[in-house]
Amino acid sequence: GNSVTQMEGPVTLSEEAFLTINCTYTATGYPSLFWYVQYPGEGLQLLLKATKADDKGSNKGFEATYRKETTSFHLEKGSVQVSDSAVYFCALGLNTGGFKTIFGAGTRLFVKA
Amino acid sequence: DTEVTQTPKHLVMGMTNKKSLKCEQHMGHRAMYWYKQKAKKPPELMFVYSYEKLSINESVPSRFSPECPNSSLLNLHLHALQPEDSALYLCASSQPTREINTIYFGEGSWLTVV
Repeated sequence: GNSVTQMEGPVTLSEEAFLTINCTYTATGYPSLFWYVQYPGEGLQLLLKATKADDKGSNKGFEATYRKETTSFHLEKGSVQVSDSAVYFCALGLNTGGFKTIFGAGTRLFVKA
Repeated sequence: DTEVTQTPKHLVMGMTNKKSLKCEQHMGHRAMYWYKQKAKKPPELMFVYSYEKLSINESVPSRFSPECPNSSLLNLHLHALQPEDSALYLCASSQPTREINTIYFGEGSWLTVV
């Protein structure tokens, strides 16, 4: 089946630390891959996306590369800020007779000053 | 600012009430979605409308009834809900093109069933 697996949180980092959140997927066909971020009390915002193998998505200092050979889409940021504290969801998008986005369980990030 | 607008932001309803959640987008998207999100969980897909027709129903109980009056509007009618239906309900939209496209979420409606 189609699924997304993320590293469990919470992840706690100090400001300016390096961030990696691992994400792997299982999918039939050729999915697009996304990272969404959810700040407390809010809906989801698209952070970045990649639509085919070897594409790199980037936004606000975050990056992720679509690795078909390892079925991965790990999120990285070189220097986190307190304002990056949120829940991060990895997701895949498929056209299966309708457009489905399947989310991972989410990883909560706390950044301390 | 999100371009998908949901109302109300908060709703408290009794188990015998009938209420509706509303969603509007003006991005010209022709696919619209309802998701349900429980605390500390990922969003779960409920319904997908494509060109104003229901294309996916993820075996949602009939006490939830979606409606898509036109390409900009999506409603979720609620009747005889249970306390376990309390959750954040997220509306989203996208272009239903052949290529997978990004879905854009509203900020959600917080529903409490008492």
